[in-house]
Amino acid sequence: EDKVVQSPLSLVVHEGDTVTLNCSYEVTNFRSLLWYKQEKKAPTFLFMLTSSGIEKKSGRLSSILDKKELFSILNITATQTGDSAIYLCAVSGGGADGLTFGKGTHLIIQP
Amino acid sequence: DTGVSQDPRHKITKRGQNVTFRCDPISEHNRLYWYRQTLGQGPEFLTYFQNEAQLEKSRLLSDRFSAERPKGSFSTLEIQRTEQGDSAMYLCASSFGGPGYTEAFFGQGTRLTVV
Repeated sequence: EDKVVQSPLSLVVHEGDTVTLNCSYEVTNFRSLLWYKQEKKAPTFLFMLTSSGIEKKSGRLSSILDKKELFSILNITATQTGDSAIYLCAVSGGGADGLTFGKGTHLIIQP
Repeated sequence: DTGVSQDPRHKITKRGQNVTFRCDPISEHNRLYWYRQTLGQGPEFLTYFQNEAQLEKSRLLSDRFSAERPKGSFSTLEIQRTEQGDSAMYLCASSFGGPGYTEAFFGQGTRLTVV
């Protein structure tokens, strides 16, 4: 059975700090790993990673995948209160063609 | 608004009633997915369609759950004889692409409360 484990499950930091969110996975026939941000309702897409070692970057957010060690990290630098959200990691693969999600990391940025 | 649209946004129903939710995907997307999300958990995959064909339904939670996408555009998810354990957020997502996976875009969800 496909599995995604995220850590930490919750994190409280101060504005301006840098955070690293972790995602490890087990999946047959891996295709891709995706990161989403969920504030209130709809998860919004951040990154899709398919190749090891290639960093994807968008503003203060970046992510990288290690397919040998089966994990990914999401970095957020110079955090702002608007970064407060649940960050979801998901993998695509296996037989079902849907995404398998982790429980998410609940990130709280204090002013 | 050209994003994924779900209706209703909230639904309160009595145990034993049937409910139906609608999802309108992004218009050029040929793939449509249904997920369920409970408190403190990530979304859980239920089923998906490529155009009008339902290609995966083994993950539907029980035979009380069914989904349709009759003309390859909007989709409906029906839950018959609702139970309190069905209370959750039901999310729809859509994507464009063939056998390989591309990023999916989610709707705002329908929050179901069974009383």
